[in-house]
Amino acid sequence: KAGVTQTPRYLIKTRGQQVTLSCSPISGHRSVSWYQQTPGQGLQFLFEYFSETQRNKGNFPGRFSGRQFSNSRSEMNVSTLELGDSALYLCASRTSDSYEQYFGPGTRLTVT
Amino acid sequence: GEDVEQSLFLSVREGDSSVINCTYTDSSSTYLYWYKQEPGAGLQLLTYIFSNMDMKQDQRLTVLLNKKDKHLSLRIADTQTGDSAIYFCAETDSGGYQKVTFGTGTKLQVIP
Repeated sequence: KAGVTQTPRYLIKTRGQQVTLSCSPISGHRSVSWYQQTPGQGLQFLFEYFSETQRNKGNFPGRFSGRQFSNSRSEMNVSTLELGDSALYLCASRTSDSYEQYFGPGTRLTVT
Repeated sequence: GEDVEQSLFLSVREGDSSVINCTYTDSSSTYLYWYKQEPGAGLQLLTYIFSNMDMKQDQRLTVLLNKKDKHLSLRIADTQTGDSAIYFCAETDSGGYQKVTFGTGTKLQVIP
């Protein structure tokens, strides 16, 4: 089976812009979670989607949003980018009855 | 809220055993995980343990859980240079919706 894929792998944006990141889960996995990784804050949970519904959300401002499509692919959007949004954004997927999450390689976002 | 703590750095000689420690605060944690992250890569799930277990062994990896002290450890036997990476301890919240809280990560350096 192919692993979790994330596109793009690298992205450079300017403050004030918005960005959309994409995640394709492992085939058959209906749960997709997003995490932000920064040197200062470490790994922080953003949100989790299951069957196109957001089931859980971390402590991030409303500029961070996401969605999941019927094929389980997920996107996350960050509007009005700030320098502090520079991070590695990781996506993870799992099946509905498993506690094993599998991570993608991440999207490295740099905001200038 | 949940909190997961790890020491930041560990250095061992090739062939020795490595022990990476983790403490957590959420007494209702369901599953506890160990992930490995190599430079520029996403997270690789190494192993996990259910909270009603106290030990799990998987080839060179041994996980010990002391639920009373909320202490988790990962022992890597016969540590190799390829084990050099950052190791994250993580736990799921009691809600079971996969909101995973990660530790700060321990950078393991293996000296040849």
